[in-house]
Amino acid sequence: QTVVTQEPSLTVSPGGTVTLTCASNTGAVTSAFYPNWYQQKPGQVPRPVIYNTNTRHPWTPARFSGSLLGGEAALTLSGVQPEDEAEYYCLLLCGGAWVFGGGTKLTVL
Amino acid sequence: EVQLVESGGDLVQPGGSLRLSCAASGFTFSSHWMSWVRQGPGKGLEWVANVNPDGSVKYYVDSVRGRFTISRDNAKDSLYLQMNSLRAEDSAVYYCARWGILGGRSGLDFWGQGLLVTVSS
Repeated sequence: QTVVTQEPSLTVSPGGTVTLTCASNTGAVTSAFYPNWYQQKPGQVPRPVIYNTNTRHPWTPARFSGSLLGGEAALTLSGVQPEDEAEYYCLLLCGGAWVFGGGTKLTVL
Repeated sequence: EVQLVESGGDLVQPGGSLRLSCAASGFTFSSHWMSWVRQGPGKGLEWVANVNPDGSVKYYVDSVRGRFTISRDNAKDSLYLQMNSLRAEDSAVYYCARWGILGGRSGLDFWGQGLLVTVSS
């Protein structure tokens, strides 16, 4: 059974830079996993942020970027804004099934 | 404007059945893969099932395979989830979501508001 792991929580200062990662217990994450990232604020519907590893949706600010880093999918926020405080989930294609990571709670403090 | 509106959520006893519906509008429904995603109370997101544009290919998470069935009616622009043999751990908010035009490469680009399913005696 595939398990996708994210940092449970991260804290960043306003204006700072933070990288969230997404790992698979089956091995290195590659572009063939089509990494996706979603942002969810309390009480709200998940909002798509990044798809296909590094492509922003039309509504995604340029401060969000996706990449592959050391065998993991990564989401980097540069110049973090207070409104970026949220839970972030990655989603990977693992052998025909899609698997969400457990989520990273990002605090902007 | 793309809209996905779910209906059919309810309180149901363990072992019972429920059928969720999702009415789509604002796009060519028959061109897109569709999914159900759920979120248990205070928990993370869990992908449940996918169906391809013509309804002939379906995938499920292991925990629901054999109990849940995803289907679609392109003439009615509607997606469904038939849930049988429900368990307490199936209690969650269920979201209907659309894959972009390139399927898995495009990500889940639009989500419904979600509806609550509670399995309890």
